[in-house]
This record gives sequence, C-alpha cells and structure tokens, in this order.
Amino acid sequence: GAVVSQHPSWVICKSGTSVKIECRSLDFQATTMFWYRQFPKQSLMLMATSNEGSKATYEQGVEKDKFLINHASLTLSTLTVTSAHPEDSSFYICSATPAGQGLYEQYFGPGTRLTVT
Amino acid sequence: QKEVEQDPGPLSVPEGAIVSLNCTYSNSAFQYFMWYRQYSRKGPELLMYTYSSGNKEDGRFTAQVDKSSKYISLFIRDSQPSDSATYLCAMRGGGYNKLIFGAGTRLAVHP
Repeated sequence: GAVVSQHPSWVICKSGTSVKIECRSLDFQATTMFWYRQFPKQSLMLMATSNEGSKATYEQGVEKDKFLINHASLTLSTLTVTSAHPEDSSFYICSATPAGQGLYEQYFGPGTRLTVT
Repeated sequence: QKEVEQDPGPLSVPEGAIVSLNCTYSNSAFQYFMWYRQYSRKGPELLMYTYSSGNKEDGRFTAQVDKSSKYISLFIRDSQPSDSATYLCAMRGGGYNKLIFGAGTRLAVHP
C-alpha cells in the first residue's frame, strides 16, 4: 500500500517551453502533497505544499509563477515548470500524506528527471 | 547552523557489518522522526518512523531517538550490498507542517 507514482519519469525539453509533471497516489487519498527538487548529491529541497482544492503554499525563494501547482483531486497533483531554463534541470519528487494521518507520514514518488536544453 | 545535521559520508563498510547512522538537531520541539532510504535516481522510501524518544525495531533496522541529547540513530545489522543507498533522516514538530531533512548519508556496503 501507499504507492505514489509520477509521470513522466524522465523528460527533456527545450529552453522556453513548459513541462507538466503528474503525481498520483494510487491506493489512497491524499489531502496534502508536497513537491521537492533535488540536485545531484544533495538533499531534498521542499518547493511547495499542495492541499486539495486550495492554492499551494510555496517555500521562500520559489517562484510561484514559474512552478505552477494544481491539486485538483485527492489523488492527483501536477507541477508545471513554465518557460523552463537549463538551471531548472533537476530531479523533481512529489510526496503524499494519506488522508486522516498526520503529516509525518509521507510517501514519495519515484521522481521525474527534467533536463532543459 | 542547520536545524538538522547529518554527516554526508560516504560511509563504506564490509558486508555483515553493523552500520550506525546519526543525525543531530537543534529544535527541541521536534516530535516525529523518520528515516528514509534513497537509491540513486529514485524517490525516498520510508524505512522507520518514531514518535518522541525511544527505540523501534523492524527486522535488521533499529531506530533510536534521544530527545534529551537531540540525537537520533539508525542501526542496520548484518548489512548487505543491497543496503547501499543514501539514508536521510527527517523530522517535524514545533509548528512545522513539513518535514525537515538532513543532508543524507551515502552508505556503500561492499561484498
């Protein structure tokens, strides 16, 4: 149980284009989802917290107009990187907390590797 | 000073060794403590979580929390090459609604 999927697992895009990454909780409902990015050999950096049906809460320094997050249902959250640039190339990982449980129990997706050329 | 300190390693041990991984933290309000394992180019996998102080055991893994010292540990017994990964500690509490991660320790178990 508690499986989180991401799609795509790997994407290459050209500079200036937008890319959408999906995060799905497969066997549970998630009222809260989190989006992280991770650079090589570094720890996870929280970008934003996404609650179903409401606007995402972004961490300081994260551009909300560049990283658009939508949490339209209890099983799906999307991250859109708009006008991507090479410095946006990173490993993006989502996590989800099952509804009814505390935020301490987060289950992570397998990650999406984004390369912007 | 970071809220959570974790030695990034790398830590290299022979197969069968007991591995000790540790984190220290500064926020005494943290109450929930977790250990995640992350293989290269994969998402983190929740290994253990504990609430407040004490020990928790699951197979070859034992998690310890010492809130008085603000110190948490993960022990791996009979380590296997398949345990080679990065281990991340994480914690929350004190008004935070998000996890605070350590930097991660890279572990290599060689045959």
